[in-house]
Amino acid sequence: DVKVTQSSRYLVKRTGEKVFLECVQDMDHENMFWYRQDPGLGLRLIYFSYDVKMKEKGDIPEGYSVSREKKERFSLILESASTNQTSMYLCASRDRTEAFFGQGTRLTVV
Amino acid sequence: AQRVTQPEKLLSVFKGAPVELKCNYSYSGSPELFWYVQYSRQRLQLLLRHISRESIKGFTADLNKGETSFHLKKPFAQEEDSAMYYCALDTGTASKLTFGTGTRLQVTL
Repeated sequence: DVKVTQSSRYLVKRTGEKVFLECVQDMDHENMFWYRQDPGLGLRLIYFSYDVKMKEKGDIPEGYSVSREKKERFSLILESASTNQTSMYLCASRDRTEAFFGQGTRLTVV
Repeated sequence: AQRVTQPEKLLSVFKGAPVELKCNYSYSGSPELFWYVQYSRQRLQLLLRHISRESIKGFTADLNKGETSFHLKKPFAQEEDSAMYYCALDTGTASKLTFGTGTRLQVTL
């Protein structure tokens, strides 16, 4: 019963490429989030969305943008990928009681 | 601004020993605190939240507003408890969760 699905488990991209990470949830949640997970740094919030077409910057939005055209889908965009964006990216959606996470996308920028 | 601090990157204990994973937070309002866990090759999932006051897999956590702490405890560690544990704070702003840096719990025989 997978609830939050990220389109790729592993991605390798070249520096300067535009990268799209896709996330879909089937729980009809209004709130969706993108985090990056790095050893020793924990989870850091990149962007979040509380409604269709609504978005807010998180703690580390530089170099990223997002798109939420439909309630179930939240996309993270790396406008011009750089090596310091190599990381594990986690998507989540939540209700008032719990956040549900995707399986993660490990992105390597070479 | 809100912040969550987990001072230990790694906690190694023997099977059957007590476990305490520390979490301190800074927030001036009324927080909601959570513990999330990530087992090897699995996705991050909720372990427990302070409002529910329940024990999950033998773990408990008490919110201490005076000490701004929400430490996770278990009296007897099991091998299957080995995982990455994250403390998280919800300040109610669009349900945004702020996470700590995580503590890896390693239970050895």
